[in-house]
Amino acid sequence: GEDVEQSLFLSVREGDSSVINCTYTDSSSTYLYWYKQEPGAGLQLLTYIFSNMDMKQDQRLTVLLNKKDKHLSLRIADTQTGDSAIYFCAEVRTYKYIFGTGTRLKVLA
Amino acid sequence: DVKVTQSSRYLVKRTGEKVFLECVQDMDHENMFWYRQDPGLGLRLIYFSYDVKMKEKGDIPEGYSVSREKKERFSLILESASTNQTSMYLCASRPTGEEKLFFGSGTQLSVL
Repeated sequence: GEDVEQSLFLSVREGDSSVINCTYTDSSSTYLYWYKQEPGAGLQLLTYIFSNMDMKQDQRLTVLLNKKDKHLSLRIADTQTGDSAIYFCAEVRTYKYIFGTGTRLKVLA
Repeated sequence: DVKVTQSSRYLVKRTGEKVFLECVQDMDHENMFWYRQDPGLGLRLIYFSYDVKMKEKGDIPEGYSVSREKKERFSLILESASTNQTSMYLCASRPTGEEKLFFGSGTQLSVL
């Protein structure tokens, strides 16, 4: 299909790791992106990975890319209450962004 | 920092009204976008513009039009609002040659 797919909800306890998964469709994407939307706000770029990389680490964030399966994941280590938000993965096709459905992460104290 | 400003945070309109949603960016970006965000559907592209007076249809343009008379301003127009246009509307911009999008805070539109 043409959709970028994510599970809708994820709930974790504070201090645990969160893993948000995404399945994309266009293997020609140069970059793949993760955006974060906090309550009442627009989307902000969280991190991205170049398509010829398998992994990218940025402080508490780890992005894993499996090009064969067209699977992208975002791991947040030591999840905090401030990480509660909606997370969108996105790919770019012919300069056009295609966003996933978004995963709402709820962090329980 | 780039700032993308949407004029209204919340808007309530009646069916059949003409509605204007305004978006202004202050970083001289060529490209501007209008998305709508609905639960479980993610973001869907309505229209985009890559230059003044230029516009292109996105994936769901029906019932909408846009105007870009100045580089910094991109307006979304609902000619005759309907209840199925109740949604969160997000404006975004980006400079040519870069992929990063900068978003406004969104306008939650309710059509009664």
